[in-house]
Amino acid sequence: DAGVIQSPRHEVTEMGQEVTLRCKPISGHDYLFWYRQTMMRGLELLIYFNNNVPIDDSGMPEDRFSAKMPNASFSTLKIQPSEPRDSAVYFCASSPITGVSYNEQFFGPGTRLTVL
Amino acid sequence: TQLLEQSPQFLSIQEGENLTVYCNSSSVFSSLQWYRQEPGEGPVLLVTVVTGGEVKKLKRLTFQFGDARKDSSLHITAAQPGDTGLYLCAGAWYNQGGKLIFGQGTELSVKP
Repeated sequence: DAGVIQSPRHEVTEMGQEVTLRCKPISGHDYLFWYRQTMMRGLELLIYFNNNVPIDDSGMPEDRFSAKMPNASFSTLKIQPSEPRDSAVYFCASSPITGVSYNEQFFGPGTRLTVL
Repeated sequence: TQLLEQSPQFLSIQEGENLTVYCNSSSVFSSLQWYRQEPGEGPVLLVTVVTGGEVKKLKRLTFQFGDARKDSSLHITAAQPGDTGLYLCAGAWYNQGGKLIFGQGTELSVKP
């Protein structure tokens, strides 16, 4: 299995520009998670999906952030307009459904976003 | 306010030393996981503990879940440079699906 795939791996953009991060989860996994990691705040859950449906988006910082999952094999996280404080590493993770509360999450390699 | 507090945040030790990392919360969790993250990569699961008081061993790593399921510890015996990385604890609740809440992490550096 290729694991969780994220693109791009690095993104440098200017303030005000739109940024789109992409994720392909592991085939057969029902849950997909978007996280943001910074030195100050650690690893924060932004939003997660179950069977392509957003379940909890309480971690999304503000309306500039949006996430979609049009099908089981693809998700996007969009920031519009981007700001310097959005600079962070963004991770996508997927998890299989096993009927218990402690599903292992499989993380992608992350996208390092720098907003100038 | 961090729901899961990890300590210490940074730890630099010599090869062969022992260390313990703590993960504390005022909340009761259904389960707690420990992940390890290397630079430029995503976290990778090390272990999951579910039962209060549970102890799990993974080679030189020993994980314990507190009796009240509010805290956990990770003990490494005879640390090696290959143990260097960011260690993250993450709590889950049975009625929250697959959602995890992560601690801030402990950055461990083991020098040869």
